[in-house]
Amino acid sequence: EVQLLESGGGFVQPGESLRLSCAGSGFTFSNFAMAWVRQAPGKGLEWVSGITGDGGSTLYADSVKGRFSIARDNSKNTLYLQLNTLRADDTAVYYCARAPGSSGWPWIDSWGQGTLVSVSS
Amino acid sequence: DIQMTQSPSSLSASVGDRVTLTCRASQNIGHYLNWYQQTPGKAPKVLIYSASSLQSGAPSRFSGSGSGTDFTLTITRLQPEDSATYYCQQSITTPLTFGQGTRLEIK
Repeated sequence: EVQLLESGGGFVQPGESLRLSCAGSGFTFSNFAMAWVRQAPGKGLEWVSGITGDGGSTLYADSVKGRFSIARDNSKNTLYLQLNTLRADDTAVYYCARAPGSSGWPWIDSWGQGTLVSVSS
Repeated sequence: DIQMTQSPSSLSASVGDRVTLTCRASQNIGHYLNWYQQTPGKAPKVLIYSASSLQSGAPSRFSGSGSGTDFTLTITRLQPEDSATYYCQQSITTPLTFGQGTRLEIK
């Protein structure tokens, strides 16, 4: 069974940093592109960032470009999202997500349970 | 960015009804359109990918159609567990954008 388990969320002040982690199990981690999708309280879904299976290509939403950084360690079956210079509008549940292939994101076929990031002074 | 617009924003229907949800893209996205279902407090899950392909494990009462800019998700024989918010998403280009969602209430 595919499982994605996020961790690292929490409460921070504007300007601070956090690192989210997502541990994958039940599949060959390196064979799948991964992504982060977030959902602000009471709002819709926003794709944040994606990374190919080999980690060679990364993409970001304009809203986080230059502040967030996605990475993966295939030896540890773990996906990361480094969140820097956090703002109040970054407050959201962050979902770890898996694409069905290694080199793109045609759809998301598995999701984690989400981790809450709350940014407030 | 490609804008995705869903309609209606919300609707209410009864068990056994047939409902149709609509999603419109701001430009031609071919068949690169997916539908997700999200119940409160839970992660989304994919129902339909590539406009009309039913995800393994999704109930057969869900079906998708359309191409280009206009797409529909149809749910036949509504069940109480279909109460959820439904999102469409385009995947022809990054950033992968979602519609704002349609909230479906079962009376």
